[in-house]
Amino acid sequence: DTAVSQTPKYLVTQMGNDKSIKCEQNLGHDTMYWYKQDSKKFLKIMFSYNNKELIINETVPNRFSPKSPDKAHLNLHINSLELGDSAVYFCASSYSLAGELFFGEGSRLTVL
Amino acid sequence: AQSVTQLGSHVSVSEGALVLLRCNYSSSVPPYLFWYVQYPNQGLQLLLKYTSAATLVKGINGFEAEFKKSETSFHLTKPSAHMSDAAEYFCAVSEPGNQFYFGTGTSLTVIP
Repeated sequence: DTAVSQTPKYLVTQMGNDKSIKCEQNLGHDTMYWYKQDSKKFLKIMFSYNNKELIINETVPNRFSPKSPDKAHLNLHINSLELGDSAVYFCASSYSLAGELFFGEGSRLTVL
Repeated sequence: AQSVTQLGSHVSVSEGALVLLRCNYSSSVPPYLFWYVQYPNQGLQLLLKYTSAATLVKGINGFEAEFKKSETSFHLTKPSAHMSDAAEYFCAVSEPGNQFYFGTGTSLTVIP
């Protein structure tokens, strides 16, 4: 059983399109995250939800909108995609804000 | 404020040689410290963590790290490198009730 699963694994799309990435965790964790990893492997936190409530909202363009329908799911919708959005997006979860993170396999987004 | 510095973005070692990856942190309270490994095209996987118990922490795949408060360091070591250790390694710090901060990563190359 995959603990943190993301879909799709790969996304290739044109500039200006809208896309979504879905994430589900079966670990019973209360906190979920979206991270962005750029081409230099740098990891940047984007959002964090605790029990469906947004608790971390870093400086991210408004084109990015997270949604957590329940504490096991966290989705990321991106409007009007730009070239600079190309990256690997990781979903993660933890028992608490400072606790060990469990990562998904990542979703590689390529914007052409 | 928390931060993590990983010295050396690229480290090369010969197979069988000692692996030493450096991590220094800053934290205003006793921190939690973590090392994660990322193999190509995969998500991050926890190697080991320090959460105020024993200062010498043993992890998976023969890795260990020592928490040194006086030096604000949490360096990762492995006595004998294997080819399969080639990967990206991330040090991270968190504080109770606060989010993770990741270092910029160290790419480990193992030379046969």
